[in-house]
Amino acid sequence: NFLLTQPHSVSESPGKTITISCTRSSGNIAINYVQWYQQRPGSAPTTVISENDQRPSGVPHRFSGSIDRSSNSASLTISGLKTEDEADYYCQSYDSNNHLIFGGGTKLTVL
Amino acid sequence: QLQLQESGPGLVKSSETLSLTCTVSGASLNSRSHYWGWLRQAPGKGLEWLGTIYYFGSTYYNPSLKSRVSISLDPPNQQFSLKLTSVTAADTAVYHCAKFDDTSGWHVGDWGQGTLVSVSS
Repeated sequence: NFLLTQPHSVSESPGKTITISCTRSSGNIAINYVQWYQQRPGSAPTTVISENDQRPSGVPHRFSGSIDRSSNSASLTISGLKTEDEADYYCQSYDSNNHLIFGGGTKLTVL
Repeated sequence: QLQLQESGPGLVKSSETLSLTCTVSGASLNSRSHYWGWLRQAPGKGLEWLGTIYYFGSTYYNPSLKSRVSISLDPPNQQFSLKLTSVTAADTAVYHCAKFDDTSGWHVGDWGQGTLVSVSS
């Protein structure tokens, strides 16, 4: 099996751009799609990126996703940061046994 | 619109069995298009997938929980359930029921709001 590793926390000022990485420990990142979820305190997660780089309906264009085969990682980029983006973000993929695997989560602070 | 609602005891004694039910509205549990299951989040911790069940009963479970976890379907009542045996304080968490999708890879399609279960000694 594999692990997904995210930075514990990131912080940036409103209006700036941040990128959260999600590194797969073994196996090719491109084999299985990566999803990104946003979780605000006290709420269930919501999907902000699906299939590596697809934005579900209703998610602002400020959110984008990508994968990088050279670093075997996925990334979530948020541009034009707003205070409402402050939340925990989780990447998620799956293995060949249909088991879902989550990254440890990244706390985004917009200050 | 799909809705999922968890229910069950908020407090379970250590070594006993945690049992939760998820009531589904807006979709049929018999649908071949849907998978159902459970996730949890310990206080201050990340998300953990527990298991998935398909409409005809096939299941996938998180290996880290070994044989302690089981999920079952009750389609006539539009419910599915989670059982976690031999609980310890480490099983204290918010438990979410969910609909999973396998189109374009496995992911969570819809979440229940979650219910906090505490394990007491």
